[in-house]
Amino acid sequence: DIQMTQSPSSLSASVGDRVTITCRASQSISSNLNWYQQKPGKAPKLLIYAASSLQSGVPSRFSGSGSGTDFTLTISSLQPEDFATYYCQQSYSSPRTFGQGTKVDIK
Amino acid sequence: EVQLVESGGGLIQPGGSLRLSCAVSGFTVSSNYMSWVRQAPGKGLEWVSVIYSGGSIYYADSVKGRFTISRDSSKNTLCLQMNSLRAEDTAVYYCARESIWGGYGMDVWGQGTTVTVSS
Repeated sequence: DIQMTQSPSSLSASVGDRVTITCRASQSISSNLNWYQQKPGKAPKLLIYAASSLQSGVPSRFSGSGSGTDFTLTISSLQPEDFATYYCQQSYSSPRTFGQGTKVDIK
Repeated sequence: EVQLVESGGGLIQPGGSLRLSCAVSGFTVSSNYMSWVRQAPGKGLEWVSVIYSGGSIYYADSVKGRFTISRDSSKNTLCLQMNSLRAEDTAVYYCARESIWGGYGMDVWGQGTTVTVSS
């Protein structure tokens, strides 16, 4: 099974900051990497699919990059509504796997 | 409107069984990849099972042999039969569509149904 490792597990940031979250796969997954945002008590929301494609309706301050084993989610200018937990997930093969999550909170 | 609505959660004793349903509207369940994902209290997301449009099925090791995913085309519904339940199966269970046009990202999610395994 493919293991997904996110870093950091948590971070504190201020409104307007540039935030970067990384995700590493235990083997190459090409570009089959997705990013989700989850707020407390809510279902996850797809932000980025296929490593770098922005899901419809998602603000352009979110971007994704990477291929193979190393991937990055970047929020160019953090907004108040972006404080949440972010997960990466591989869709290269089954079983699917998620990273452990990165909680972004207010500094 | 594209929508997923889960039902069937509840309180169940260890060793018991429960059947979750996910009512699909706005698209055809049999034409899509459909997954179950769960989240234990205070924990991260854990993928549980997927059924491909072609019928292939996969499970997480933690539920293999105890859980069965299925779909009912006549009712446009996804199901998860859960047997031999354990305390560690306690979680919110979500069904989700994997977008075949979007890198198989899970682009539509239900609101979740809560399963509590406790005596």
